[in-house]
Amino acid sequence: DADVTQTPRNRITKTGKRIMLECSQTKGHDRMYWYRQDPGLGLRLIYYSFDVKDINKGEISDGYSVSRQAQAKFSLSLESAIPNQTALYFCATSDPLNTNYNEQFFGPGTRLTVL
Amino acid sequence: GNSVTQMEGPVTLSEEAFLTINCTYTATGYPSLFWYVQYPGEGLQLLLKATKADDKGSNKGFEATYRKETTSFHLEKGSVQVSDSAVYFCALRTINRGGKLIFGQGTELSVKP
Repeated sequence: DADVTQTPRNRITKTGKRIMLECSQTKGHDRMYWYRQDPGLGLRLIYYSFDVKDINKGEISDGYSVSRQAQAKFSLSLESAIPNQTALYFCATSDPLNTNYNEQFFGPGTRLTVL
Repeated sequence: GNSVTQMEGPVTLSEEAFLTINCTYTATGYPSLFWYVQYPGEGLQLLLKATKADDKGSNKGFEATYRKETTSFHLEKGSVQVSDSAVYFCALRTINRGGKLIFGQGTELSVKP
């Protein structure tokens, strides 16, 4: 079974709609992240959470919000989707106690298309 | 600020060819450096890492050496296989960013039989 799961895997929606992407993990990690991937731009950090009560904006948080419902769950919302939010979205986790190199573990991604 | 720059792709090689994907970085302090790989339809996974200057990371035949003097972390493999076809991301982590990663733009590798 996958350690980091994302739902849905694919979603097509219309401009102005509210969309929620969900991420769940069974790794027991405190830290969770949301990234978007665009061709030629790599991955850019949207939001990150170091524990349930600690949520922080990343480099491109405008137009997005998040909710950390539990240690294992971290949701990303687009309150009013727009076409330039069409991208591949990844959730990731990491273990702060692994101070050697802080590897991040990624989910399989959600492909979102906003028409 | 901190940033990572990779050579542009796509890179197309024949099986058993030698691979180099260039990566240079800009960072304050002493970052840890990583290569992540993304196989088609999957999320990223850590390929190798190096945490200090002159360290060599290696995994699955891939290698990269942390060169502080040239601020580089180039990925190499002596003989690529079709199964190595993927997108490769160079990334850095600095302590003062709380463990967050900064990624390069990714380099797509296609290996032909």
